[in-house]
Amino acid sequence: QSALTQPRSVSGSPGQSVTVSCTGTSSDVGAYNYVSWYQQHPGKAPKLLIYDVNKGPSGVPDRFSGSKSGNTASLTISGLQAEDEADYYCCSHAGSPTYWVFGGGTKLTVL
Amino acid sequence: EVRLLESGGGLVQPGGSLRLSCAASGFTFSSYSMSWVRQAPETGLEWVSTITDSGASTYYADSVKGRFTISRDNSKKTLYLQMNSLRAEDTAVYYCAKRVGFYFDSWGQGTLVTVSS
Repeated sequence: QSALTQPRSVSGSPGQSVTVSCTGTSSDVGAYNYVSWYQQHPGKAPKLLIYDVNKGPSGVPDRFSGSKSGNTASLTISGLQAEDEADYYCCSHAGSPTYWVFGGGTKLTVL
Repeated sequence: EVRLLESGGGLVQPGGSLRLSCAASGFTFSSYSMSWVRQAPETGLEWVSTITDSGASTYYADSVKGRFTISRDNSKKTLYLQMNSLRAEDTAVYYCAKRVGFYFDSWGQGTLVTVSS
């Protein structure tokens, strides 16, 4: 069982918006503004989408945005595109001795 | 361009050992902490270990503490993971990742470790 809880799957039609939730505890998500999100296509390495809750690395479209409220972080993808179909993982720093915890992953299907 | 290339994976019997390597290029290797993250078949990601830029400090997940050792050779721009007393539950793709702040901004393509008799 993963430390952070994500829905197993979400879906949306092209052009729509979807939100993926990531629920942790007051020891990880709730304690630090160090939530990151990763996109993984089948057979590929994870790719950084969002870091420090809501910051986007250069090169990542601003259709991807992040937020946090209490112990729950969220990734919102707006203007869905076919290439967004992938698995999405959240990650939070959790301090000593756990350090980093990941969610179980959410499979996004673009209908 | 940052490039991370893992190697050393393979099939090993339970109780056996394996050493993974990760060759880095495209950035100043000695300036960054590095990590190993694994992904068991059809499951999610699990942080395994992190080493600071100088190698002075190391951190491990409870699941591998005492069995795995992370190290680095900054002159060779290479990260290592020595894995001993391997168990079936260690079967996974192992990724090396460059750590920036509290996230992982670049990942290798991974190397598969299979622990089975």
